[in-house]
Amino acid sequence: SALTQPASLSGSLGQSITISCTGTGGDIGNYHFVSWYQQHPGQAPRLIIFGVTTRPSGVSSRFSGSKSGDTASLTISGLQADDEGLYFCSSYTDSGDFLLFGGGTRVTVL
Amino acid sequence: QITLKESGPTEVKPTQTLTLTCTFSGFSLVSSGVGVGWVRQPPGRALEWLALIFWDGVQRYSPSLKNRITVTKDTSKNQVVLTLANLDPADTATYYCAHTPGGVTFFDFWGQGALVKVS
Repeated sequence: SALTQPASLSGSLGQSITISCTGTGGDIGNYHFVSWYQQHPGQAPRLIIFGVTTRPSGVSSRFSGSKSGDTASLTISGLQADDEGLYFCSSYTDSGDFLLFGGGTRVTVL
Repeated sequence: QITLKESGPTEVKPTQTLTLTCTFSGFSLVSSGVGVGWVRQPPGRALEWLALIFWDGVQRYSPSLKNRITVTKDTSKNQVVLTLANLDPADTATYYCAHTPGGVTFFDFWGQGALVKVS
């Protein structure tokens, strides 16, 4: 089954928010292959975190990832208007050797 | 610079077979570890991982689609082809192909997506 994310979160300009992504011991809990994607309307997803904590080149340091037990988290610091959009987590799962995605979290900047 | 682009029909009928082609540039699918995968997204819904093919021909498929899906590669043309059989209106989605630098881990470059309607 899909990883569990909150459906929506909001924060004011300049504030920080944290998106959670809950899985099981067969995915997030036992593997370091957690990634996060940002998606703006009408666009393809964009990788912003891989390997739980690593940012690809060009991604702002305002994005950071972490993991504790079966739950991974994405923190966006200093919220900007352009941070509005959908955010998806993903993890390797050993229940079939494939990637699971979360249901997505819609972030609104107030 | 890595780029990928999906091409194929925009509308297909139920029970038919969908064939989508991913044409890529900026990398070679003979380089060790590299793979090209497929992800779809029904309108207004979440991403769903479908399949992945590696440089050495190894394939991985979503368990829920394993009986209907096939992915192949043509390294001479820099293309990966997705075939999905016995279509249902629930297969209506934007289909993305994407590059992975190694393993069933993450996708770092994505195509623009191709919307396919089954009706």
